[in-house]
Amino acid sequence: GESVGLHLPTLSVQEGDNSIINCAYSNSASDYFIWYKQESGKGPQFIIDIRSNMDKRQGQRVTVLLNKTVKHLSLQIAATQPGDSAVYFCAENISGAGSYQLTFGKGTKLSVIP
Amino acid sequence: NAGVTQTPKFQVLKTGQSMTLQCAQDMNHNSMYWYRQDPGMGLRLIYYSASEGTTDKGEVPNGYNVSRLNKREFSLRLESAAPSQTSVYFCASNLAYNEQFFGPGTRLTVL
Repeated sequence: GESVGLHLPTLSVQEGDNSIINCAYSNSASDYFIWYKQESGKGPQFIIDIRSNMDKRQGQRVTVLLNKTVKHLSLQIAATQPGDSAVYFCAENISGAGSYQLTFGKGTKLSVIP
Repeated sequence: NAGVTQTPKFQVLKTGQSMTLQCAQDMNHNSMYWYRQDPGMGLRLIYYSASEGTTDKGEVPNGYNVSRLNKREFSLRLESAAPSQTSVYFCASNLAYNEQFFGPGTRLTVL
């Protein structure tokens, strides 16, 4: 089975509102998490990452929260814009010698309503 | 820097034909990866190369072979294409334990 999944496959948000995209993971050994954005017809684009020694990390208009107790990851986008419309994937990794594989969730489609 | 480049962008094959997908990166990354993405699915790892001279199987390696030609280039070969291999193929690269950078993808249709 898949160890990384999403609660909501689609999300519609009014322009200017905040968006929250959720992700659950099942492997407690995972210690590195990434959010990617994929626009139609393009490859995934890195947004933000977080390591397990942190519970929050902020970027430009984005914040990632990590709750290791319940194995939950979220991506918050502030003041959502039409350009944020895309599919968002979370991915997890177990660092350490020989561990190079990212496990991706199926993705959440974010639609921004103008 | 061009980042990660892939060729071709689109390809149509008949069942049983062979082809090689090319990938190159100019970021001096050690590790390179090949994924496939099917509609409504996340990315699934086919093969990866942790460093020049090494390759390893990922989640879905059957029907594929890879070659790490040098530090920059990592190719994916389909020896005998099947309709089940219709997909979008992405190449990625990184320095170990950091974010992976993806190419634009190759859209492959096998008839």
